[in-house]
Amino acid sequence: EDKVVQSPLSLVVHEGDTVTLNCSYEVTNFRSLLWYKQEKKAPTFLFMLTSSGIEKKSGRLSSILDKKELSSILNITATQTGDSAIYLCAVPMIKAAGNKLTFGGGTRVLVKP
Amino acid sequence: NAGVTQTPKFQVLKTGQSMTLQCAQDMNHNSMYWYRQDPGMGLRLIYYSASEGTTDKGEVPNGYNVSRLNKREFSLRLESAAPSQTSVYFCASSEGLAGVDEQFFGPGTRLTVL
Repeated sequence: EDKVVQSPLSLVVHEGDTVTLNCSYEVTNFRSLLWYKQEKKAPTFLFMLTSSGIEKKSGRLSSILDKKELSSILNITATQTGDSAIYLCAVPMIKAAGNKLTFGGGTRVLVKP
Repeated sequence: NAGVTQTPKFQVLKTGQSMTLQCAQDMNHNSMYWYRQDPGMGLRLIYYSASEGTTDKGEVPNGYNVSRLNKREFSLRLESAAPSQTSVYFCASSEGLAGVDEQFFGPGTRLTVL
């Protein structure tokens, strides 16, 4: 059965710290892995990693895909209170009826001043 | 562009009541999705529609039905609500296939079933 597992479940850091979030997956026909940030309401898209694009960076956020280890990490450097959120990763399952995303359980990050 | 809109924002039902959650997108996207989110569970796919006229089950379809009314609208119906369906429901859309194109999410509907 395809699955996506995130760790840790939650963490608390102080402003300026660096955080590293993990996402591991077991899927057939891997195509891509996506990261989302969810603050109070709807998830918003951060990155998509594929076999041809295994590293992405945007400001203080960066993500790497390790296809050998079937995992990805999301790094946030110089954290700010605005980084407090749930971070979700997802992997598409390729189906004849159309792809569908399977999400991990999320990592809740709290950044204290 | 409003993006993805959902109504209602909040709803309280009694066990056995029925209701329909509405979702609309104005981005001309082909694919639409319904998810539920419970604490510590991430997002779980209920149903999806890869294109107008098609729907298919996700991980947790039991107790729900969907209708892809047209390209813009995708509704989720609870025929006989149960307390286990207390959750936050998100609708999402993407131009193409999940995992190929970004999914855009609506603001969510918080449903409580007593």
